[in-house]
Amino acid sequence: DQQVKQNSPSLSVQEGRISILNCDYTNSMFDYFLWYKKYPAEGPTFLISISSIKDKNEDGRFTVFLNKSAKHLSLHIVPSQPGDSAVYFCAASTYSGGGADGLTFGKGTHLIIQP
Amino acid sequence: DAGVTQSPTHLIKTRGQQVTLRCSPKSGHDTVSWYQQALGQGPQFIFQYYEEEERQRGNFPDRFSGHQFPNYSSELNVNALLLGDSALYLCASSLVGGLNEQFFGPGTRLTVL
Repeated sequence: DQQVKQNSPSLSVQEGRISILNCDYTNSMFDYFLWYKKYPAEGPTFLISISSIKDKNEDGRFTVFLNKSAKHLSLHIVPSQPGDSAVYFCAASTYSGGGADGLTFGKGTHLIIQP
Repeated sequence: DAGVTQSPTHLIKTRGQQVTLRCSPKSGHDTVSWYQQALGQGPQFIFQYYEEEERQRGNFPDRFSGHQFPNYSSELNVNALLLGDSALYLCASSLVGGLNEQFFGPGTRLTVL
């Protein structure tokens, strides 16, 4: 049973336009959400995160939106650049015993930025 | 500031053998988590170590075991290797009690023949 779902395996966006990557989750205990970017032959790189007490977090070109009632989050990249072409993973976690637990990842979305 | 490092980069083993993978966390981090990433999938949580003890474990069999040393570095051991253990093994470090931004190493690519 997949608790974090990224239903679009791939997404193609023109350079300069907005890229919107979506993620759904089923576990209502998740209280922290993260987006990672991964290039081939490298480990995932942390991009941006959001706590469940917020509905929006911005960092430069990246904005994450959280809709708790719908159990849905999205990552917006504006404007999209060629270097943004990578696989993007949505991840979620809970806290227990005073510390953050292991991350639960989606399967990823391959973002391709077209020139 | 050195990030998370892992060794070796690649490894080829045969079924039934045992393997040990190594990880050094980012400077200042005290918690190490291990993940398995199969082809076309997202990383799957194996276990997490803090203060030299296993703090949390994902849905992996006992063939997967680990260790954390006083300098916070960690090892992942897999016994009785199966073909299905072929994957990219990722190590991530973080600070317990902090926000859960885990920083990942480049991974070890394990191939079981």
